[in-house]
Amino acid sequence: DVVMTQSPLSLPVTLGQPASISCRSSQSLVSSDGNTYLNWFQQRPGQSPRRLIYKVSNRDSGVPDRFSGSGSGTDFTLKISRVEAEDVGVYYCMQVTHWPPRTFGQGTKVEIK
Amino acid sequence: QVQLVESGGGVVQPGGSLRLSCAASGFTFSRHGMHWLRQAPGKGLEWVAFMQHDGSRINYVDSVKGRFTISRDNSKDTLYLQMNSLRGEDTAVYYCARDDHVAGEDFWGQGTLVTVSS
Repeated sequence: DVVMTQSPLSLPVTLGQPASISCRSSQSLVSSDGNTYLNWFQQRPGQSPRRLIYKVSNRDSGVPDRFSGSGSGTDFTLKISRVEAEDVGVYYCMQVTHWPPRTFGQGTKVEIK
Repeated sequence: QVQLVESGGGVVQPGGSLRLSCAASGFTFSRHGMHWLRQAPGKGLEWVAFMQHDGSRINYVDSVKGRFTISRDNSKDTLYLQMNSLRGEDTAVYYCARDDHVAGEDFWGQGTLVTVSS
């Protein structure tokens, strides 16, 4: 199984400041079709997960452009350019290249300082 | 708009059974693969099972193989998860999610809580 490792697990951020979350996979997530199936989800308190980014860097519809994804191979990053209060929650990376099983990182809790 | 509504959760004793349902609306259910995922209290996300739009492909995480069965009724726009031989470690909020054909789970339901306890 592909192991996904996120860091940090807790991220206190000042409003208006940038935030960055790292996600590393135990093997390359480049698929035989040339795509890299690494997605990012946001889970606000008390809510179900919402996909923000798919295939490394593509924002889902309605996702603010302060969210961006980057990376390749085994190293990926989610960045929030300027954190807003509504961004509080837990962020998960997920790989769907090598499955079953589809696997998630442990989650990174973003909170306001 | 896409809506997924899970139901069927509750409290069940170890070794018991439960069937979850996921009612879909706002899209053509019969054209999409569907997933079940879960989240134990205070823990992270875990993928559980997948069924292709026409039932031609089914996959499970190892920990539920032989105990859980995913199924669907495209005439009713509904996804199911039959859970047998339940264990304490199956206690979780169970979510259904649509597969978008592009990169996986794009919309999730609100979840239904399953508690396995004596």
